[in-house]
This record gives sequence, structure tokens and C-alpha cells, in this order.
Amino acid sequence: NAGVTQTPKFQVLKTGQSMTLQCAQDMNHNSMYWYRQDPGMGLRLIYYSASEGTTDKGEVPNGYNVSRLNKREFSLRLESAAPSQTSVYFCASREFSSYNSPLHFGNGTRLTVT
Amino acid sequence: AQTVTQSQPEMSVQEAETVTLSCTYDTSESDYYLFWYKQPPSRQMILVIRQEAYKQQNATENRFSVNFQKAAKSFSLKISDSQLGDAAMYFCALYSGGGADGLTFGKGTHLIIQP
Repeated sequence: NAGVTQTPKFQVLKTGQSMTLQCAQDMNHNSMYWYRQDPGMGLRLIYYSASEGTTDKGEVPNGYNVSRLNKREFSLRLESAAPSQTSVYFCASREFSSYNSPLHFGNGTRLTVT
Repeated sequence: AQTVTQSQPEMSVQEAETVTLSCTYDTSESDYYLFWYKQPPSRQMILVIRQEAYKQQNATENRFSVNFQKAAKSFSLKISDSQLGDAAMYFCALYSGGGADGLTFGKGTHLIIQP
């Protein structure tokens, strides 16, 4: 089973360039999430989609936009990349936005902005 | 706002020994879940164990167990008979449902296994 698939795995951007990180899950999950991981900071929530057709800001949404394209796919867009957005990005999903529904993670995208 | 604190940036243990990773948290919600995730060098995030706040019994998964102290808001992870494959970053996480969705993560503990 593929689970949560993120593309690309690595990306290097110049300041000001734009890009979209793709995420797809094949587990029929309702809720999807984007996190960023920085050294010494743990994982911080950027945006989430509790169900198809809805998106909401997390802890660190500035500089990002998201699209819940359908139930399977949830993309993260950087319109004008900045060096502060250098990070590892994780997409995650879970069956429901509820207490006992564990998160399933993709393998991450390492993004470097020069 | 809810917070998760892991006070040990790095821990080291001899192979086959037992190690305990600390985690404290704060939330105003009365019902919540706590999780430990493992992140090996492959970067994959793997769920190790989870605990429901309303359950008094500590969760156990093979060599992994937790010590959940609800009044003290403490949620430590004990790894028994440590193996080389246990070397990883370990993240404590909290879900309480209040406010934004998603888990709140601690900053992680880097666990080193000495052969």
C-alpha cells in the first residue's frame, strides 16, 4: 500500500520562485495536513483540511497557500519562496479529525531556498 | 494554547539496556490523546504508541511502554531491551481538539544506541 505519497522528495529554489508540493493518499482519509520540520523546532502545522472542501490555517501559515483538490489530494504552494522557508515538509492524513485517529505521514520533501 | 515539552535534546543508551524519554504537556481540554512518533534517518514518521487521556492504564506496545501521569501532565516513553534499530528522533505529540486541528509536537529527543 502506498499510503501518503509526496512529490518531489527534494527541491532547490531561488528566492522569489514559486512551486507546489503535491500530496496524495490512498487510504480514503477525510483529513489532511501540511507540517514543516526545522532543526530544534519539531513539527509545526502549516495548514490542514478537516474534510474535502475545507481548509484552515495552522500555526505557521504565512507565505503558503493550500488546495484540497479532491478527497485524495492536498497541495501546498509557495508563491514567492524565501530562505526562511527552507525546511522539510511533511504531508499527513488521518481517517477523521478526531481524537483516536492516528496521523499517517508521507516521507517528506526537503526544500532549500537560496 | 497547548504545548508539548521534551526537555532532553539527546539521550544515549547501551544496547539491551532500558531508556526513558521525558515529555510534559499542557492543555485546557479534559479529553485528549498523546502519541510518541519515531523518526529514523530515513525521515519517515512512524507511530510508536498512543495513550487516551481517560484511560488510566498505561499503553504498551512490545518493548515500548508509557508512564502516563495525568495530574502531572507527564507522558514518558520507556524503551526496554534497546536495539540498534531504535536509534532515531522521538517526538511526543498531543491532540486535544481545541482550536486548530492537528497534533502539537515537542521538539524531539535524539536517541543514540551504543553497541
